[in-house]
Amino acid sequence: NAGVTQTPKFRILKIGQSMTLQCTQDMNHNYMYWYRQDPGMGLKLIYYSVGAGITDKGEVPNGYNVSRSTTEDFPLRLELAAPSQTSVYFCASSYSERARSNQPQHFGDGTRLSIL
Amino acid sequence: AQTVTQSQPEMSVQEAETVTLSCTYDTSESDYYLFWYKQPPSRQMILVIRQEAYKQQNATENRFSVNFQKAAKSFSLKISDSQLGDAAMYFCAYRSLNYGGSQGNLIFGKGTKLSVKP
Repeated sequence: NAGVTQTPKFRILKIGQSMTLQCTQDMNHNYMYWYRQDPGMGLKLIYYSVGAGITDKGEVPNGYNVSRSTTEDFPLRLELAAPSQTSVYFCASSYSERARSNQPQHFGDGTRLSIL
Repeated sequence: AQTVTQSQPEMSVQEAETVTLSCTYDTSESDYYLFWYKQPPSRQMILVIRQEAYKQQNATENRFSVNFQKAAKSFSLKISDSQLGDAAMYFCAYRSLNYGGSQGNLIFGKGTKLSVKP
């Protein structure tokens, strides 16, 4: 069972470069999320999506963009990388139906991103 | 807005002993879910246990159990018979059922680092 797959696992960027973090899930979940985890902190929501074509900002969206063209994929883009974006990024997905709202989010293994 | 507080940055327990990790939260909602996630050094986020707020009975999963005090907004995790593999960061998380807001996203505490001594 693949679950939520994130690529790459590690990446080093120079200031000002851009990149896309890939996330795909094979569980047919409508809801998908991007979180960042800074050292010694919990995860904070960057963006989320409730279905294909629908995205919205979370708590810390500045410097990021997302798209959701399919149910399976939810890429996160950094346009102008800054040192403050050095973090571990997690993608997650979950069911949308209220009847399944007690089901946990499924997380990818994370991407460690360093901006130098 | 909801907040989750874990007041113990680090905890230590002897192998085979019992340890309790604390979590408090703030919300004006009456219907929600609470979760404990484990994050080992591999970075994976692994669900440990969940609790529906409308249920009075405390959730249990093998060696893991919670003490859910809704009025006090407290949700502690008890690990019995601690094992070396339990060493990890533990995060408490809140999930609203308010589908008009951030749809089902989790609000995390800062985590508690648990060490298990052999």
